[in-house]
Amino acid sequence: GAGVSQTPSNKVTEKGKYVELRCDPISGHTALYWYRQSLGQGPEFLIYFQGTGAADDSGLPNDRFFAVRPEGSVSTLKIQRTERGDSAVYLCASSQTVGTDTQYFGPGTRLTVL
Amino acid sequence: EDQVTQSPEALRLQEGESSSLNCSYTVSGLRGLFWYRQDPGKGPEFLFTLYSAGEEKEKERLKATLTKKESFLHITAPKPEDSATYLCAVQAPDSWGKLQFGAGTQVVVTP
Repeated sequence: GAGVSQTPSNKVTEKGKYVELRCDPISGHTALYWYRQSLGQGPEFLIYFQGTGAADDSGLPNDRFFAVRPEGSVSTLKIQRTERGDSAVYLCASSQTVGTDTQYFGPGTRLTVL
Repeated sequence: EDQVTQSPEALRLQEGESSSLNCSYTVSGLRGLFWYRQDPGKGPEFLFTLYSAGEEKEKERLKATLTKKESFLHITAPKPEDSATYLCAVQAPDSWGKLQFGAGTQVVVTP
């Protein structure tokens, strides 16, 4: 079956611009997660959703970052006033439920802020 | 703060040369420990979940084990296609859904 998909695969933007990154989870998965991965590091947790609500947003670095999942399926990660330090691969994952259920990752969106 | 440390950072193996990767953690009351494989330019691919000390899981040439303070990923008679970065992640008891990852071990298997 279809896995987690993310669009775009690559995004290049200029410092100060606004970007949106999209995630389509596996059909039927109620939990959705966003992580950020810098070169040579493991993924770093940002936020996760159970259904439509953000259950834990403790990993969002500051108020320039925001994520939504209005219908409990597709999610969008929004970054305002991008900075060069935001450059990273943004990974999305989904799981059937929250807890110790396996998280299945998408291919990621590589964000480059010039 | 809970920590996850993987060693070595990088490992170069000859085809057929077995070895082990280490993942040590400081989380108390571990909810689960996860192993993933990541190929360049791709997202992590799930391998195993371990829940309690003494548990073992196997898949082809890979075997994961868990103790109270660390986990090992054993690679038996590796092939070049086993070349990848191997990531471990832990889930703490108060962190539903949130995985804390180590930095990974980059494995290169040469023919």
